[in-house]
Amino acid sequence: GAVVSQHPSRVICKSGTSVKIECRSLDFQATTMFWYRQFPKQSLMLMATSNEGSKATYEQGVEKDKFLINHASLTLSTLTVTSAHPEDSSFYICSARDNGRFVANTGELFFGEGSRLTVL
Amino acid sequence: KNQVEQSPQSLIILEGKNCTLQCNYTVSPFSNLRWYKQDTGRGPVSLTIMTFSENTKSNGRYTATLDADTKQSSLHITASQLSDSASYICVVSLKTGANNLFFGTGTRLTVIP
Repeated sequence: GAVVSQHPSRVICKSGTSVKIECRSLDFQATTMFWYRQFPKQSLMLMATSNEGSKATYEQGVEKDKFLINHASLTLSTLTVTSAHPEDSSFYICSARDNGRFVANTGELFFGEGSRLTVL
Repeated sequence: KNQVEQSPQSLIILEGKNCTLQCNYTVSPFSNLRWYKQDTGRGPVSLTIMTFSENTKSNGRYTATLDADTKQSSLHITASQLSDSASYICVVSLKTGANNLFFGTGTRLTVIP
């Protein structure tokens, strides 16, 4: 089946540093990828929609300068948490739609394994 | 307002027993409904995807139902196993728009021996 890979799976960084998380679709092309944040025992919260070749669309309340998203190719989107602070510690998950099977919004949506960020 | 509500929030059952999770939605215009299983510290994995015309769909011990008239879906787990312990998330899609996914808050299932 289709696979979405996230890297790194875990990262610990010092406050004030920036951290980049990669999301790759391994065997399909994805024009659209999504980034989520998940706090313990809560559901996924959509942060932004990443569009290949154009600017990301951010959800209300999500700082675009804080969470930089780049979707440089049909198989890769990156999320950079800039000047990270302890409150940014969370589980970040990406998902991708398979272009080849995306018809009238019925295409399957595949999730990455998530990246746990801990900011000290 | 487009919303997806799941119940119960959490559920504890004995191994081998059956259980049913509920998902009610007010999303419109409806495109499809997905059930995902998310193990702790992992990404969600798709169990089923149901379109407007589908009433029932099975995936092993998981059976999802959809009533598009009442806007309700259920996920039935048969003969539960310890490995079924996870959060189960209902996701409903709109027919239009790039940002058209609505997530339920999930049901946390714990299967005990």
